[in-house]
Amino acid sequence: DGGITQSPKYLFRKEGQNVTLSCEQNLNHDAMYWYRQDPGQGLRLIYYSQIVNDFQKGDIAEGYSVSREKKESFPLTVTSAQKNPTAFYLCASSILRSRLTDTQYFGPGTRLTVL
Amino acid sequence: QQPVQSPQAVILREGEDAVINCSSSKALYSVHWYRQKHGEAPVFLMILLKGGEQMRHEKISASFNEKKQQSSLYLTASQLSYSGTYFCGTEDPDSSYKLIFGSGTRLLVRP
Repeated sequence: DGGITQSPKYLFRKEGQNVTLSCEQNLNHDAMYWYRQDPGQGLRLIYYSQIVNDFQKGDIAEGYSVSREKKESFPLTVTSAQKNPTAFYLCASSILRSRLTDTQYFGPGTRLTVL
Repeated sequence: QQPVQSPQAVILREGEDAVINCSSSKALYSVHWYRQKHGEAPVFLMILLKGGEQMRHEKISASFNEKKQQSSLYLTASQLSYSGTYFCGTEDPDSSYKLIFGSGTRLLVRP
């Protein structure tokens, strides 16, 4: 069964700790994305990657870092520099058409809480 | 720049219709519509492409007015399962290969 997996589903972190959120896809999609969602809010783009070993900052990249060493994997690290990290984190992937983004498929999300 | 969705929230009786709008200040390549149930991931509904036709997903349809830089989602004869938050995501020449999402429209369908 093809899809996107994220782990863990729930994550609790103490202030000052770095944490890494996992995102894996077996859809053979080119692009992968990380979004942050706060209660009652829309989706804000953190980072995205169109190809292995390359990624771009989204609108709210400060305090986050990513890597794209394999096509199927795009982990997100929430660093201690992120002042308000409590949120719902969603990973997505898509095929890239010429000059257009195709459907984005979302993983089930990771809910991060800072204690 | 984030697209603007209206209305922010809608309450319907089962069987009623609703329209959700998504407007951008920029010329768009595409508009994507998603629905998210509480605590779950967004689920794709449809894409509207520049120069493309009006799309349908069951009894939900959407249009894309390129001149007005606006898309509308039409929910006909709403069902209880339509409840959720609807997001539009837009792709423009300055942000190719990524989507900028609106803040969402919350829809509640009551029996």
